[in-house]
Amino acid sequence: KNEVEQSPQNLTAQEGEFITINCSYSVGISALHWLQQHPGGGIVSLFMLSSGKKKHGRLIATINIQEKHSSLHITASHPRDSAVYICAVRSGWMDSNYQLIWGAGTKLIIKP
Amino acid sequence: NAGVTQTPKFRILKIGQSMTLQCTQDMNHNYMYWYRQDPGMGLKLIYYSVGAGITDKGEVPNGYNVSRSTTEDFPLRLELAAPSQTSVYFCASSYGVRDHNSPLHFGNGTRLTVT
Repeated sequence: KNEVEQSPQNLTAQEGEFITINCSYSVGISALHWLQQHPGGGIVSLFMLSSGKKKHGRLIATINIQEKHSSLHITASHPRDSAVYICAVRSGWMDSNYQLIWGAGTKLIIKP
Repeated sequence: NAGVTQTPKFRILKIGQSMTLQCTQDMNHNYMYWYRQDPGMGLKLIYYSVGAGITDKGEVPNGYNVSRSTTEDFPLRLELAAPSQTSVYFCASSYGVRDHNSPLHFGNGTRLTVT
């Protein structure tokens, strides 16, 4: 079993729909990242969070440390949101732990 | 700021050739990383650096070397290229690790094919 599981693997929705992408992990973490990979390949960091909730524009990320679960929500989705969304976690609190554990990504397609 | 700049964008190598993938950042970030992404797969860490003069192996270091002579530059060297090294390579940087307001910044990637 992977230490970071994302669901769904693929998601197709209509423009305007509310989107939820889930990330579950099995290790203790100090931080969780959400990133977006565009169809052209470029990767952009969306959020880095260790507790609670963060919001940026139409994107909202939440994390529940007790349940080892995070969600990424997109409100009023738009075709330009079509991308692969990746969850990654940094396990533990040691300063020497620089490695991130990566989810496999969720491919999102928003149809006009 | 230009952010993280990677060159080249594309490269085709013959088996046994060598090359250097360049990465530079202008954000004065301490931490720099090299990842590879195989088709349909997640990112795998090749090497990382926590500051000038300090580098360490990641998950998949075999066949690669790095150096960090300055804060800005973190080149990745492929010696004796093999078909298994066909992949997309991403360089990334961040200010810190424990700073939870410090996201990762990625370059645009280098698509490498070894034939």
